[in-house]
Amino acid sequence: NAGVTQTPKFRILKIGQSMTLQCTQDMNHNYMYWYRQDPGMGLKLIYYSVGAGITDKGEVPNGYNVSRSTTEDFPLRLELAAPSQTSVYFCASSADRVGGYTFGSGTRLTVV
Amino acid sequence: GNSVTQMEGPVTLSEEAFLTINCTYTATGYPSLFWYVQYPGEGLQLLLKATKADDKGSNKGFEATYRKETTSFHLEKGSVQVSDSAVYFCAEGGGYQKVTFGTGTKLQVIP
Repeated sequence: NAGVTQTPKFRILKIGQSMTLQCTQDMNHNYMYWYRQDPGMGLKLIYYSVGAGITDKGEVPNGYNVSRSTTEDFPLRLELAAPSQTSVYFCASSADRVGGYTFGSGTRLTVV
Repeated sequence: GNSVTQMEGPVTLSEEAFLTINCTYTATGYPSLFWYVQYPGEGLQLLLKATKADDKGSNKGFEATYRKETTSFHLEKGSVQVSDSAVYFCAEGGGYQKVTFGTGTKLQVIP
């Protein structure tokens, strides 16, 4: 029972590089989310999706992009990486709007 | 916007001590309330939840009661173990764009 799988677990990027953080869930959840976690700051919502083909911005979307072509996958794209994007990124999914979230194990990204 | 306030950590307790981590929220109406736990190097895991006033969520010996009158959802455990050492997050909402997390409280339990 895999749940939410994120890859890679760690990555170092140089300023200006691009990359895609992968997220896959096998629970047939409609709702998926991307958060970033900075020390002492809690979690900030980057983007979310309520189903395949539907995405919307969260609290801190600048510098990121997402797509949702299937129910299972919700990749997060970073274009032109900046040091401010150094963070731990979590993908999560949920079956409905009032239930709890299932989180992936995170991707630790450092931009140098 | 809405906010969730948790007590600052770290909280350091001896094994078998009583635990309380305070949490208050600002959302109006009747949001769903959650506690999540994060162990080192892992993602957050849902610990317990409550969806209406006076509900008590419970799991693994942890409890929290939805108090509408004080807009609070304090986490309690009667006897903590070393394995409970983790960061605990309070959250409110449940809507896909309305979940607000607290900043987390680190708990250290020493033998």
